[in-house]
Amino acid sequence: AQKVTQAQTEISVVEKEDVTLDCVYETRDTTYYLFWYKQPPSGELVFLIRRNSFDEQNEISGRYSWNFQKSTSSFNFTITASQVVDSAVYFCALSEAQGSSGSARQLTFGSGTQLTVLP
Amino acid sequence: EAGVTQFPSHSVIEKGQTVTLRCDPISGHDNLYWYRRVMGKEIKFLLHFVKESKQDESGMPNNRFLAERTGGTYSTLKVQPAELEDSGVYFCASSPGLAGVWSYEQYFGPGTRLTVT
Repeated sequence: AQKVTQAQTEISVVEKEDVTLDCVYETRDTTYYLFWYKQPPSGELVFLIRRNSFDEQNEISGRYSWNFQKSTSSFNFTITASQVVDSAVYFCALSEAQGSSGSARQLTFGSGTQLTVLP
Repeated sequence: EAGVTQFPSHSVIEKGQTVTLRCDPISGHDNLYWYRRVMGKEIKFLLHFVKESKQDESGMPNNRFLAERTGGTYSTLKVQPAELEDSGVYFCASSPGLAGVWSYEQYFGPGTRLTVT
């Protein structure tokens, strides 16, 4: 069975601080996909990134960066120089490999981390 | 391009009543998913449509929940009769597929907050 653990329930930082959101996952699959979604106060889930299990390269997108380490089954998310607009709930998720029908498998979510960035 | 839309945004009903939630996926997306988040817990998968067919409904909690997808376009999720434990936020997501464009990303709607009193 798949499982995603986000141990940090709530994090509060002051603007311009760096913050790392932790994500640890469990799966028996050798091929899988990891995701991060952002849920701002408006409620929708906004897709941020997808990583394949066979690609351990870290990724940077502006102030966002992701550290994927298969050895520790972790997929951590760092926001550099945080801003008030970064305040949201962040979800880490995992899915199995693509099905033969061409459709993406269901997502298994962590419980989310509420990030509050104070001005 | 319009995103995934859901209606209503919020619904308050009494225990025993029926509620129908609607989801309109991104145009052209063959895959449609329903999830729900109950009482601040994890977002849990309910079911997955590929066009009008149910690909996976392993997450449906019981037979009080009925999902349909008419003509492979919009989908409805009916809860009948609603129970207190059904309260939560119901999310719909869609992704392309089966048309030569495989995508692993699922694009979510804003959710419907269901409150059963």
